Parts: sequence; C-alpha cells; structure tokens
Amino acid sequence: GAGVSQSPSNKVTEKGKDVELRCDPISGHTALYWYRQSLGQGLEFLIYFQGNSAPDKSGLPSDRFSAERTGGSVSTLTIQRTQQEDSAVYLCASSAMTQETQYFGPGTRLLVL
Amino acid sequence: GDSVTQMEGPVTLSEEAFLTINCTYTATGYPSLFWYVQYPGEGLQLLLKATKADDKGSNKGFEATYRKETTSFHLEKGSVQVSDSAVYFCALHSGAGSYQLTFGKGTKLSVIP
Repeated sequence: GAGVSQSPSNKVTEKGKDVELRCDPISGHTALYWYRQSLGQGLEFLIYFQGNSAPDKSGLPSDRFSAERTGGSVSTLTIQRTQQEDSAVYLCASSAMTQETQYFGPGTRLLVL
Repeated sequence: GDSVTQMEGPVTLSEEAFLTINCTYTATGYPSLFWYVQYPGEGLQLLLKATKADDKGSNKGFEATYRKETTSFHLEKGSVQVSDSAVYFCALHSGAGSYQLTFGKGTKLSVIP
C-alpha cells in the first residue's frame, strides 16, 4: 500500500520567508510525527500528533515553528521567518497507534539562503 | 533521559565481508529497539526491530539481538553487498507513555566491490 508521502521534496527559500511542509501519513494511522535531520544535530524529534491534537510541542526549536493536522490525516509544518540554521531535512512519520512502529516518508530537504 | 550510542563511522568493507555495527542504549522502562536504514537520497526505512529482551530481529540478511544485560542491540550481517551501502540508525522507543523515537547519530557504511 501507499507509504508516507511528503511535499515538496526540495525547497529553496530566502532568509525571512515563510515555508510550509506537507505530510500525508499512511491511511488509517492515527499518530503522526515530525523530525528534523541536520548535519550537526542528527535526528531530532519536533512534534507528535494523536489524531488532530498535539500533546507535546516541546521539540519545536522556536516559536517560529508551528504544525497542524486536520481531519486526522494531512499535517503541515510551518516555519515562519526562516533562518539559515533551519536548513535541514524534515522527516514525517506515522504509526497505527502511538506506541506502534513508525514509518517514515522520504523527507523534505529545506535550504535557506 | 533516553539515549542511543552507535559506533562512529564511516565503515568501509569489501563485498562479502562480515558486518557489525555496535549499538548500546540507556532507557527507562522496557524499550523497543529498532534499526533504520537510509539509502542515498532516500528517507528512513525500518530494517528490523525487537520489542523485548532476547528477541532477535532479522530482515534482508541483517540480524540484531536485544540484550538487556548489556543494553545492546548490535547489527550484524554475514556477507555484505554493494547495495547495502547506506547510513544505519539505531533507535529506541521507551514504551508506555512515550511516543518519540530516540536515535543514534548514524553509521555510514560503504561496501566496495
């Protein structure tokens, strides 16, 4: 069946602009996760959704980062006023339930110039 | 807090060589353990997992055994192929009440013909 999909696959933006990253989880998966993969930091957890709710936003690096999930399906990660240190690969994962195995999408590679 | 330590890379092996990538962990409770693989230009793929002590996860010729006494989950393969060249990540999920994966920093494997 279809896996987790993310769009765009690559995004180049100028410092100060806003960007939106999209994630389509595996159909029927109630839990959705965002991670960031950067050279210096490895893989960092950003945020988790159970249904449309985000019980834990503590991983978001600053208040420029926000995320929402609608209809228990698609999620959007928004970065406002992008900075060069936001350049990274943003990975989305989903799982059938919170403690089940997480399946990852191909990621969005973000470059802030 | 939870943590995962992997052997530093990069690792370069000749085709058909034996592979071991060491992974040790620190966690509260009874974690599930995972190996994910990231092929060049792609997202993370689940390679194998083990959910309790002494379980052995296996897939595509790779194996790892959950050793509670040594808090380890070393990845092994008897005969590597060029197509195994990738970055390998060890990860844990703490279990009840937890939702995020904690990753090691990754080990880059290059297999040469």
